[in-house]
Amino acid sequence: SQKIEQNSEALNIQEGKTATLTCNYTNYSPAYLQWYRQDPGRGPVFLLLIRENEKEKRKERLKVTFDTTLKQSLFHITASQPADSATYLCALTPPGYNKLIFGAGTRLAVHP
Amino acid sequence: DTAVSQTPKYLVTQMGNDKSIKCEQNLGHDTMYWYKQDSKKFLKIMFSYNNKELIINETVPNRFSPKSPDKAHLNLHINSLELGDSAVYFCASSRPGATNEKLFFGSGTQLSVL
Repeated sequence: SQKIEQNSEALNIQEGKTATLTCNYTNYSPAYLQWYRQDPGRGPVFLLLIRENEKEKRKERLKVTFDTTLKQSLFHITASQPADSATYLCALTPPGYNKLIFGAGTRLAVHP
Repeated sequence: DTAVSQTPKYLVTQMGNDKSIKCEQNLGHDTMYWYKQDSKKFLKIMFSYNNKELIINETVPNRFSPKSPDKAHLNLHINSLELGDSAVYFCASSRPGATNEKLFFGSGTQLSVL
């Protein structure tokens, strides 16, 4: 079955640095991969979608890469701020399926 | 206005009871979902409806029964609640069609079964 792995340990970084979160997947080759942000007590909020033929996607301070050979996506937040502290989830739809599968997420804490 | 709203926010109940969670979206989406987030934070899909028709049922116990009176509403009824049902339940919606559509989530219902 499709498996998505994200770092289970929290990532602690200093304000102003670049945060890099990893999403690895196995068994299938998704055509798309999505990233969401989840704050405590709230539902996930969509951030970015990247297609398999896109190596990189940017949105303001966010950058996502998609390496279909490594079966990995990296999520970067540049010039991080304490307000970026949240859990970040990656999600994908395995080919032939019509459901979005989520990783467990990585908690990011940005310290002033 | 909240795009996807679900009620109640918190639900505390005894084992064996029956409870319902309501969800409404005002985005004009045709597709709605129920996801369950357990204590390890995994979000797992339970059901998906497209224009009031069930399209995904992820081997959820039949104590869980979704109902979609119209495409803007998807309610979840749970019979004979068990301790293991304790989790946060999220409703979501999306546009229909391509599987790359982004999901819009409600704020969740934290269910605690005592």
